[in-house]
Amino acid sequence: QVQLVESGGGVVQPGWSLRLSCAASGFTFSSHAMHWVRQAPGKGLEWVAYISYDGNYKKYVDSVEGRFSISRDSSKSTLYLQLNSLRTEDTAVYYCARDLSGAWTADYWGQGTLVTVSS
Amino acid sequence: QSALTQPASVSGSPGQSITISCTGTSSDVGGYNYVSWYQQHPGRAPKLIIYEVTNRPSGVPDRFSGSKSGNTASLTVSGLQAEDEADYYCNSHTSSGTWVFGGGTRLTVL
Repeated sequence: QVQLVESGGGVVQPGWSLRLSCAASGFTFSSHAMHWVRQAPGKGLEWVAYISYDGNYKKYVDSVEGRFSISRDSSKSTLYLQLNSLRTEDTAVYYCARDLSGAWTADYWGQGTLVTVSS
Repeated sequence: QSALTQPASVSGSPGQSITISCTGTSSDVGGYNYVSWYQQHPGRAPKLIIYEVTNRPSGVPDRFSGSKSGNTASLTVSGLQAEDEADYYCNSHTSSGTWVFGGGTRLTVL
């Protein structure tokens, strides 16, 4: 069965960096685009980033452009999100999600990893 | 990249039907048939319940249905059940090649 397991979250100070990982299993990772979506405490969902199945196309929400970087390693079936210059407003649960090919939707989600940015 | 507009809350009694609206623009909801709906119970990850405006993934009850007219998409839940009480989010592809979510709607089953 499809599984997505995020890791790498934690408590960091403003301006610090963090790398999140999402280990995928149960499907052909190299055939699917992937997304990162975040949810601040008590708030709604916010799309963060997208990477195409081959890693050649990436998109970001404006608020993280230039600070966050999405990447993937198909040999490890792992998705990454590098978070740099973190701000307090980046505090959230970060979910990775699999893109349902051709449908621009996320059909499977991980359980999320919490990133807390606080001084 | 403004969020799509959803009502903050809706409610209904068991067995009744409710509809949640999701309003965007011609650059997102109105411009593509790539509207999805997700259900999220407290402390859980979101779950896909509708994609491409009207399609249900395998395993999602047919009590859940989606539609779209112009820049507004809608999710209808028929025959409300207690387990339907959750937060619901709409989502759309945009002309910028990004995604945008709605602010979310809390469904309360009375």
